[in-house]
Amino acid sequence: NAGVMQNPRHLVRRRGQEARLRCSPMKGHSHVYWYRQLPEEGLKFMVYLQKENIIDESGMPKERFSAEFPKEGPSILRIQQVVRGDSAAYFCASSVQGNTEAFFGQGTRLTVV
Amino acid sequence: QQQVKQSPQSLIVQKGGISIINCAYENTAFDYFPWYQQFPGKGPALLIAIRPDVSEKKEGRFTISFNKSAKQFSLHIMDSQPGDSATYFCAASLNQGAQKLVFGQGTRLTINP
Repeated sequence: NAGVMQNPRHLVRRRGQEARLRCSPMKGHSHVYWYRQLPEEGLKFMVYLQKENIIDESGMPKERFSAEFPKEGPSILRIQQVVRGDSAAYFCASSVQGNTEAFFGQGTRLTVV
Repeated sequence: QQQVKQSPQSLIVQKGGISIINCAYENTAFDYFPWYQQFPGKGPALLIAIRPDVSEKKEGRFTISFNKSAKQFSLHIMDSQPGDSATYFCAASLNQGAQKLVFGQGTRLTINP
């Protein structure tokens, strides 16, 4: 049973470009969470999704950031017009239900130059 | 009130010693307290978790102690080994599970051989 798969592992974007981060949850998991980790800091919750639904996006910046989890395919975190401050590690986690353990992927390290 | 405060920031322990990491929280509605272990370049991995109806949980060399009245919980690693060298994060959430984990700032643990 493969774990949570994230790709790409590393992503370099120039300021103003778009970044698309993908997350395939563990088999049988229908709940997906995105977290951001700045250097030397803990993880910060961004968004919680189920298939075709955003459950809680209280941690998402109001502009430029969006997330989706379509009926088919991976969950996507999209950052438009990236700025240097978006440079961070972005982690996806999944769970069977909202009240069960979450398992994290290896993350996507975004660098904005 | 949503914060989880973790200490120390870094910790050096001799091989065979006991490593102790502490966390404190404010929100009394939190009902799920996991600990994650993270190696460089990897995602956080669930180590052990506790719910507030018990004061202690032990899994192998890892023990969580939970003090509900003091709103504190701690991770004890017995017989610490060099392979335990990693960053450890405590976290807390509502609804007994994976939703919207609030992470501590992390503790970088180094076990000297």
